[in-house]
Amino acid sequence: KNQVEQSPQSLIILEGKNCTLQCNYTVSPFSNLRWYKQDTGRGPVSLTIMTFSENTKSNGRYTATLDADTKQSSLHITASQLSDSASYICSPGAGNNRKLIWGLGTSLAVNP
Amino acid sequence: DGGITQSPKYLFRKEGQNVTLSCEQNLNHDAMYWYRQDPGQGLRLIYYSQIVNDFQKGDIAEGYSVSREKKESFPLTVTSAQKNPTAFYLCASSIDHYNEQFFGPGTRLTVL
Repeated sequence: KNQVEQSPQSLIILEGKNCTLQCNYTVSPFSNLRWYKQDTGRGPVSLTIMTFSENTKSNGRYTATLDADTKQSSLHITASQLSDSASYICSPGAGNNRKLIWGLGTSLAVNP
Repeated sequence: DGGITQSPKYLFRKEGQNVTLSCEQNLNHDAMYWYRQDPGQGLRLIYYSQIVNDFQKGDIAEGYSVSREKKESFPLTVTSAQKNPTAFYLCASSIDHYNEQFFGPGTRLTVL
């Protein structure tokens, strides 16, 4: 069964600090993995996409890593800002039709 | 101004009434999707359409109906058969079924 687990469920950090969010997935066959940012009451926005052969991908202060062998991905946020407060959702794609499997998300609060 | 729009932002209906949620995109995307998001759950796919005049059921299609008469539009009807219709509904579109999905701002439906 295709599954995604994200940790922690929620996280509070101070502005300027770094943090790392985790995603473990059981998806077969694996096609790619996206990280999304979802502000409260709004639709998700894609941050990064990683394919099987990619280990690291950056988008500004966001850096995603992927270990396809252990089926783990992480999203590292550097020098957090108040605007980083949101839910971060991991979504691997499965199969030839790349069906998206959605994690529950990590709720991040960045406090001043 | 290109993008995907959903209206209204908030919608209230009495139990037993059908209600139609609007989703429009001017991105010239072939594929469109409807998701439901509930607290503590990941995004769940209701229906999707890969091309005009064609659509497929997602994971939780019961109690919902859609149409795709125009490329730009993919309205979702929540029928009285849907037992728990109160939720946040998200529409998305993509160039095709294998590429990044872009999300609308969502409609929060409350059934009283």
